[in-house]
Amino acid sequence: GEDVEQSLFLSVREGDSSVINCTYTDSSSTYLYWYKQEPGAGLQLLTYIFSNMDMKQDQRLTVLLNKKDKHLSLRIADTQTGDSAIYFCAEIIRFQKLVFGTGTRLLVSP
Amino acid sequence: DADVTQTPRNRITKTGKRIMLECSQTKGHDRMYWYRQDPGLGLRLIYYSFDVKDINKGEISDGYSVSRQAQAKFSLSLESAIPNQTALYFCATSAVSGSSDTQYFGPGTRLTVL
Repeated sequence: GEDVEQSLFLSVREGDSSVINCTYTDSSSTYLYWYKQEPGAGLQLLTYIFSNMDMKQDQRLTVLLNKKDKHLSLRIADTQTGDSAIYFCAEIIRFQKLVFGTGTRLLVSP
Repeated sequence: DADVTQTPRNRITKTGKRIMLECSQTKGHDRMYWYRQDPGLGLRLIYYSFDVKDINKGEISDGYSVSRQAQAKFSLSLESAIPNQTALYFCATSAVSGSSDTQYFGPGTRLTVL
């Protein structure tokens, strides 16, 4: 089946690390993605990870993939107020169908 | 200039009206997609097109139709709009498989059906 789940809300203080979690159900996923949506804007690709990788780091972003548990996480180091947004994880399955989670709203307070 | 553009950005219409949302891209991608976003539901796929002659229904195609006028243009139509089609609509594009399959999104069209 195709189902991607995320918690709806996360609140952190500026300077702390944020960890946004995602679980998916389709083991045939080839790539998994994290998108960011700021208020009134479209979706911006943050990063992606190929399904045969365990970890990917890109500046302040660290993606961890546990294929056994079908769990994906996004860690944002030194979180800033500009990181406040909705974060979507997504998996791509057969025929390039992209399945999105419901989104996690990250609120960063000063 | 944005790689994926959508027009209009905002539209308010009445029940029963026909509406067309347009998407253009300059990325040279073959594949194009239409999604709708509703609060708490993430994005759901309406239609997708892998090339000009290929159109496929997504998970929520009822009440919608599409036209792929050219490689760079993909339009979404609501033949007779109804209030539960009020949503944020996104167009996306991607290259042929083998290049991380990443989809790139337009800025969205906010549609309100009264």
